[in-house]
Amino acid sequence: GENVEQHPSTLSVQEGDSAVIKCTYSDSASNYFPWYKQELGKRPQLIIDIRSNVGEKKDQRIAVTLNKTAKHFSLHITETQPEDSAVYFCAALRDNYGQNFVFGPGTRLSVLP
Amino acid sequence: GAVVSQHPSRVICKSGTSVKIECRSLDFQATTMFWYRQFPKQSLMLMATSNEGSKATYEQGVEKDKFLINHASLTLSTLTVTSAHPEDSSFYICSANLRGELFFGEGSRLTVL
Repeated sequence: GENVEQHPSTLSVQEGDSAVIKCTYSDSASNYFPWYKQELGKRPQLIIDIRSNVGEKKDQRIAVTLNKTAKHFSLHITETQPEDSAVYFCAALRDNYGQNFVFGPGTRLSVLP
Repeated sequence: GAVVSQHPSRVICKSGTSVKIECRSLDFQATTMFWYRQFPKQSLMLMATSNEGSKATYEQGVEKDKFLINHASLTLSTLTVTSAHPEDSSFYICSANLRGELFFGEGSRLTVL
């Protein structure tokens, strides 16, 4: 089955700097990779996603890159702001029916003012 | 986006009692819903896949008789923690897949005294 690893587990950056979180997956058949942001005590919310037929996707300050050959994908946040502080989870589609995902262990991002 | 609602958001119970958590898809039908458990500062651990009209599929190591799942309609799945003990205290979250995107409930924080 699919296994997703995520690094780093914690990340502290100064406000305005960039943050990069990396994930690797094991199942070459996985074809959808979303990123979720979870604030303390709240539900995870989708912030960006990428499919295997695309190498990069950008949405304002957030971008995701995918390297299918190496089986890794990364989240890039530029011009970080204090409200970006949260736990970020990457995920990979686990099965062929598009029903469930395997989540990475999460990265706790702290943006220091 | 789609809305998944979870109730109750917080519950405190005595050891030995049973607790029911509801997960509803408010504006779409979900034949499948997912139940996760999340320990502090950890990732989402899939407990089971709830299937409307049939038995739930449990992940390895999750006790079926301990965590009863019922998916009686296309908009409602319930998780019942039976004979709860302090070690069952956790944050439980449900999700549903709509057109390839996972939508999460608000989560339910269970505290067993």
